[in-house]
Amino acid sequence: KNQVEQSPQSLIILEGKNCTLQCNYTVSPFSNLRWYKQDTGRGPVSLTIMTFSENTKSNGRYTATLDADTKQSSLHITASQLSDSASYICVVSLMEYGNKLVFGAGTILRVKS
Amino acid sequence: SQTIHQWPATLVQPVGSPLSLECTVEGTSNPNLYWYRQAAGRGLQLLFYSVGIGQISSEVPQNLSASRPQDRQFILSSKKLLLSDSGFYLCAWSRLAGVSSYNEQFFGPGTRLTVL
Repeated sequence: KNQVEQSPQSLIILEGKNCTLQCNYTVSPFSNLRWYKQDTGRGPVSLTIMTFSENTKSNGRYTATLDADTKQSSLHITASQLSDSASYICVVSLMEYGNKLVFGAGTILRVKS
Repeated sequence: SQTIHQWPATLVQPVGSPLSLECTVEGTSNPNLYWYRQAAGRGLQLLFYSVGIGQISSEVPQNLSASRPQDRQFILSSKKLLLSDSGFYLCAWSRLAGVSSYNEQFFGPGTRLTVL
């Protein structure tokens, strides 16, 4: 069964601190892995996309890593800001017609001042 | 540039009433279109996807249906809403591309549906 599991479920950190979110997946056939940021009541917005041959990809203060052997990914946020408060969703794309996505439940991050 | 619209933004409907949510995409042609539902604390669940006009694939058996009457229009409907239909509904589009591409999906702003 295609699944994406994320941890922790929620996280509270102080502004300026770093944090790392985890994602484990069992999806086949794997096409790519994405991290999305979803603000409350809004649609998700893509942060990074990686294929199986890419180990790391950065987008500003966001750095995603991918280990295709262990089927794990992480999203590292550096020098967090209040605006980073959101749900971060790990998504794996299936290599098949329609490019369907399998979504994790997300990690809710709250950055406090 | 491409934009995706959904309406209404919020909707409160009684059980047993019909539903029609609309999604339109601008600035691209022949996109893949998707309907998702997001329940509180859960991941997005794919409901329907379409690779062309009149071509609809359903992912889960349910009380909902989808239609694509025009290239850039995707409609989610129900004849009789259930309490369990409450949730946050998201429409998304992606370019019609080969499976080897990134083929990113772009999401609309969503519709918050509450069935009472």
